Amino acid sequence: GAGVSQSPSNKVTEKGKDVELRCDPISGHTALYWYRQSLGQGLEFLIYFQGNSAPDKSGLPSDRFSAERTGGSVSTLTIQRTQQEDSAVYLCASSFRGGEKLFFGSGTQLSVL
Amino acid sequence: RKEVEQDPGPFNVPEGATVAFNCTYSNSASQSFFWYRQDCRKEPKLLMSVYSSGNEDGRFTAQLNRASQYISLLIRDSKLSDSATYLCVVNPPLNFGKGTSLLVTP
Repeated sequence: GAGVSQSPSNKVTEKGKDVELRCDPISGHTALYWYRQSLGQGLEFLIYFQGNSAPDKSGLPSDRFSAERTGGSVSTLTIQRTQQEDSAVYLCASSFRGGEKLFFGSGTQLSVL
Repeated sequence: RKEVEQDPGPFNVPEGATVAFNCTYSNSASQSFFWYRQDCRKEPKLLMSVYSSGNEDGRFTAQLNRASQYISLLIRDSKLSDSATYLCVVNPPLNFGKGTSLLVTP
C-alpha cells in the first residue's frame, strides 16, 4: 500500500511477556518515528531514525524498550517484560526527510493484562 | 525534549462560528511548524504547515509569531465535521502538543 503500515493493529498480552510491534514506512521515506499515546493523552515521542544516522532514543521510557530499523525501511519496536502501564496506542510515522510532514500509520493498540 | 503547550479545551462552538487556537513553544531554534488533526481513536493527519508569513487553506488560517514563540490556527465558518483534536507540532525537535479539543454543535 501507499501509506504507513503497522502490525498488529491490536495486541493483548500478559504482564511480563515481550511484544514486538512492526512498522513499514512509506517507500522512500528516510525518517521514521515511534510515538505512543495513552487514552485521552497527547503523543509521547519514543524514538527517531534518520537514514543511517544513530537513532535518537531520548524518548524511550526505560531499558525495556528498544527499536531497530533494518535496511533503512521496516522498524520493530520491542517491549520486554511488559507492564500494565505500557498499555497504549503505539503510533509509527515516516517522513521524506527528518522534520518534514509526518504520515502516520493507524497504530497498534497494546493492552497488557 | 522541549515543551509545546496548548490549551486542552474543550472548545464548544456552534456551527458557523470562528474559533482560534494558540500553541506556544519553548525551543527558539525551532524552524518548522505544523497543525495536525486527530479524530477520536484515529491517527493524527496533517492539516497544514505553518509558514512564517502566515498561510491560508480554505477556512483555515495558520500564523506564526517567532518573537513570542507561538503559532495559531483560525477556523472560520465551523462545520460539524471540524470536531476533532488539533495538535500543534514544532520542529526541531518534532514535539507534539497535547492537543486542543474542538466540538462544533448544531
